[in-house]
Amino acid sequence: QQQVKQSPQSLIVQKGGISIINCAYENTAFDYFPWYQQFPGKGPALLIAIRPDVSEKKEGRFTISFNKSAKQFSLHIMDSQPGDSATYFCAGGTSYGKLTFGQGTILTVHP
Amino acid sequence: DSGVTQTPKHLITATGQRVTLRCSPRSGDLSVYWYQQSLDQGLQFLIQYYNGEERAKGNILERFSAQQFPDLHSELNLSSLELGDSALYFCASSVDSYTDTQYFGPGTRLTVL
Repeated sequence: QQQVKQSPQSLIVQKGGISIINCAYENTAFDYFPWYQQFPGKGPALLIAIRPDVSEKKEGRFTISFNKSAKQFSLHIMDSQPGDSATYFCAGGTSYGKLTFGQGTILTVHP
Repeated sequence: DSGVTQTPKHLITATGQRVTLRCSPRSGDLSVYWYQQSLDQGLQFLIQYYNGEERAKGNILERFSAQQFPDLHSELNLSSLELGDSALYFCASSVDSYTDTQYFGPGTRLTVL
C-alpha cells in the first residue's frame, strides 16, 4: 500500500519559473515531512523538512506548504535554476525515523 | 559528501549467490537505515538499527538480513539472489532514532545476472 502519493512524475520549467511538486499521505502517524533532492549517481540529500504543527516553512528559494486537514503538502521552488534539475522525493516519517517516500518527481529546468 | 560511506560502489553477481553490503555511518551517528531503490518500487525502507539493536523493519525480504556491529558499522546481507533484487541499496544514518535528519550514503548498485 503506497502511503505517500507524489505528483507530477516529471516537471519541466523554464529558468526563473516556479516549480511545484505535490504529495498526499494516508498515514496519520506521520509527524515529520521531509523533501529530499537526488542527483544522478548520488544518494538523496535532505532539502527541507516540516512538522505538522506549522503550515509553511521557507528556506531560501524552497518553501514547504502543509495542509494537515487535507493530508497534503507541497514543495515550491522559486526562481528555479538549471542546477535545481534533479529528482525530488517527498516522504512521511515517524518518531522512530522510518521514512516512507513518494515515487519521486524528475525536475528539469531549462536555461 | 554526507559522511556516510558504502562499499562496494558496484556489485555484479549471479542468481542464487549471496552478497554483503557494508555501511559506515557518520561519526557520532548511532542509527543506521537501509533502503532499496528500484525503478518500479522507488525508495523503499528495509530496516533500521540503533546502537546495535534492530528498531524498525520495513519491506525486507526473508532472504535479506542486516546487523549493526559494536563499532556502529552495518552490513546488509542478501542471499539466494534473484534478478529482481537488482537495485541501488542506500544506507543512511542519523544521530539517534528520534533525530529526523537522515544522511544518505552514495549507494551500492547491485546487478544480478
